[in-house]
Amino acid sequence: DQQVKQNSPSLSVQEGRISILNCDYTNSMFDYFLWYKKYPAEGPTFLISISSIKDKNEDGRFTVFLNKSAKHLSLHIVPSQPGDSAVYFCAASAQTGANNLFFGTGTRLTVIP
Amino acid sequence: EAGVVQSPRYKIIEKKQPVAFWCNPISGHNTLYWYLQNLGQGPELLIRYENEEAVDDSQLPKDRFSAERLKGVDSTLKIQPAELGDSAVYLCASSLGGQVSGELFFGEGSRLTVL
Repeated sequence: DQQVKQNSPSLSVQEGRISILNCDYTNSMFDYFLWYKKYPAEGPTFLISISSIKDKNEDGRFTVFLNKSAKHLSLHIVPSQPGDSAVYFCAASAQTGANNLFFGTGTRLTVIP
Repeated sequence: EAGVVQSPRYKIIEKKQPVAFWCNPISGHNTLYWYLQNLGQGPELLIRYENEEAVDDSQLPKDRFSAERLKGVDSTLKIQPAELGDSAVYLCASSLGGQVSGELFFGEGSRLTVL
């Protein structure tokens, strides 16, 4: 049973435009959310996170938005650059639980120069 | 600073053979994780260590999988015997503390192919 879902397996965006990656979750106990980026043949690397007490967190070109009522979060990348081409994983955890990270299936972003 | 180191990067074995993966976490990181990543899926936790204690191994198939973290530093993950369905990438990660609000640092992974 997939508790974190990324329904778009792939996304293509022109360089300089905005990339929006979406993620949905089902477990209302999740209170911390993270995005990881993965290049081929490398392990995932942490990108940005957000606590459930916030609805937005920004770090340079990357912004994560959280809509708790919809159990939905999104990652915005603006402007998109060719080096952003990678697989992006959404992850969630329940701090009061076992501190396990539940990952989505990933979205492959391709930024076209 | 050295990152999480895993070996081997690639391993091809025949079914029913044993296999072992090794992980060296970032120096000073007391929490170590082993994740399984199947093709087209996100990583799934197999086991989490706090120092040398396995605090969450509920997802580890204990009939064929075993893990250890002697002295609270390096860790090994073993599969014996391997099955065709075990073909996947095995990721090791470490963090400073058990709280997931801190980021996890992943190694490059060990890709297993079982023939």
